Amino acid sequence: GENVEQHPSTLSVQEGDSAVIKCTYSDSASNYFPWYKQELGKRPQLIIDIRSNVGEKKDQRIAVTLNKTAKHFSLHITETQPEDSAVYFCAARRGGRALTFGSGTRLQVQP
Amino acid sequence: NAGVMQNPRHLVRRRGQEARLRCSPMKGHSHVYWYRQLPEEGLKFMVYLQKENIIDESGMPKERFSAEFPKEGPSILRIQQVVRGDSAAYFCASSPAPGTGGPEAFFGQGTRLTVV
Repeated sequence: GENVEQHPSTLSVQEGDSAVIKCTYSDSASNYFPWYKQELGKRPQLIIDIRSNVGEKKDQRIAVTLNKTAKHFSLHITETQPEDSAVYFCAARRGGRALTFGSGTRLQVQP
Repeated sequence: NAGVMQNPRHLVRRRGQEARLRCSPMKGHSHVYWYRQLPEEGLKFMVYLQKENIIDESGMPKERFSAEFPKEGPSILRIQQVVRGDSAAYFCASSPAPGTGGPEAFFGQGTRLTVV
C-alpha cells in the first residue's frame, strides 16, 4: 500500500517568513495530493491540492509543487501570519483508493 | 449546501458498551471514508465505502469494528464492547465518485469518543 512520509514534524518561523513542508510517497500510481490544515480541536480542512498532471499550483500565499520522478511534493507558505499556526497534513491517493496521510507538521508562527 | 455532517460531536461510553457514529456525506457525494485520530497523532485510515458496498476495509480492526453505508440514511461506524484504547476522534470524509474531477475528501467535524 501507499506510505507517506512528512517532514519536519515541527516547524517554527517568524511572522512574515516562509514555511516549507515536504512529503514523499511510495506508490508511483498515486495521482492526487491534497494538503490539509487542522487547528486544535477542529476538523482537517483542505487548503490546496494538486494532481499528477501538474507540477505546481498556487493560491495566494500557498503553493504546492510536485516532482513525480522523485515522488515528493511540498507545501510552501509565504508571508506567514500567526493564524497560519496549525498542524498541516499531506496526503496521497491513487484512483479507487482512500487518502493516505503523512504524520503531520506542527507549524508555529511567532509574532 | 451542507457539508459533511457527523453526529454526535461528543460521545461518552463505559467500557463494554457500544458506540455508534454517524456520517452524512455532502450532497452529491457517494463515497465515504472513516479515519481515526488519536491525540497528537495523524489520521489513520479505517474504511472506505460507497452506498451498500465496502470498497476497502484494510484499516479496520478485525474485531469489534464494523461500518455500513446503506442505500438510505447516513454511514454508520459501529464499535462494540468499547475499550479505553478506542478513545479518539473519528472523522468521516466524503467525495464524489472517482474520476468526476474537482476537490475531493471534505471532512466532517468529527466525533470525539471517550471511553470511561
